[in-house]
Amino acid sequence: QITLKESGPTLVKPTQTLTLTCAFSGFSLRTSGMGVGWFRQPPGRALEWLALIYWDDDKRYSPSLKSRLTITKDTSKNRVVLTLANMDPVDTATYFCAHLDMPTAEYSFDFWGQGTLVTVSS
Amino acid sequence: QSALTQPASVSGSPGQSITISCTGTSSDVGSYDFVSWYQQYPGKAPKLVIYEGSKRPSGVSNRFSGSKSGNTASLTISGLQAEDEADYYCCSYAGSGTFVFGGGTAVTVL
Repeated sequence: QITLKESGPTLVKPTQTLTLTCAFSGFSLRTSGMGVGWFRQPPGRALEWLALIYWDDDKRYSPSLKSRLTITKDTSKNRVVLTLANMDPVDTATYFCAHLDMPTAEYSFDFWGQGTLVTVSS
Repeated sequence: QSALTQPASVSGSPGQSITISCTGTSSDVGSYDFVSWYQQYPGKAPKLVIYEGSKRPSGVSNRFSGSKSGNTASLTISGLQAEDEADYYCCSYAGSGTFVFGGGTAVTVL
């Protein structure tokens, strides 16, 4: 059974860097074809893809946020970390992580975490 | 990389069929057979209902079907049920390892 869970601060100040952790179980990022993606959803608005890291440490970022995003993985601890620099109130959103399994379902995300709400305010 | 275009809302009566469109460009929907659709209830995480344009994950009702023509993908829900009332998002692979979502469609069961 695949599960993912996001954790991190609920409140950050403008200009600070947000660090979020996605802890997962039921799969390994040592396995070929696996990946973990990050997404966000501002209150009442649409989903937005942010970043993706693959089993081979290939990393991909949203072009509009690439300069502010960093994604890393800790394979031994089954965790993926996302950082978003220079936070602004417009970054207030629920942040989700999700599982990617290329051999089974190419370029789609089949298991999702519950999400964590991050508010940016001074 | 612009968001895919979806209608803001679609409604139908129980038992009817509805179709949600998702219009992109030749750089995303039109170039790849990697459109996925997600169902989301308020306050909940998205759930994958269609992947690779027309495939259903295990456990997803066969009332959900997907298709594509040119730069537009579509999700059809047949035999509409009250439990189908939710938001639906399309997502397309956009090349170079990137993804783009649609603006979402609220489905209402009348």
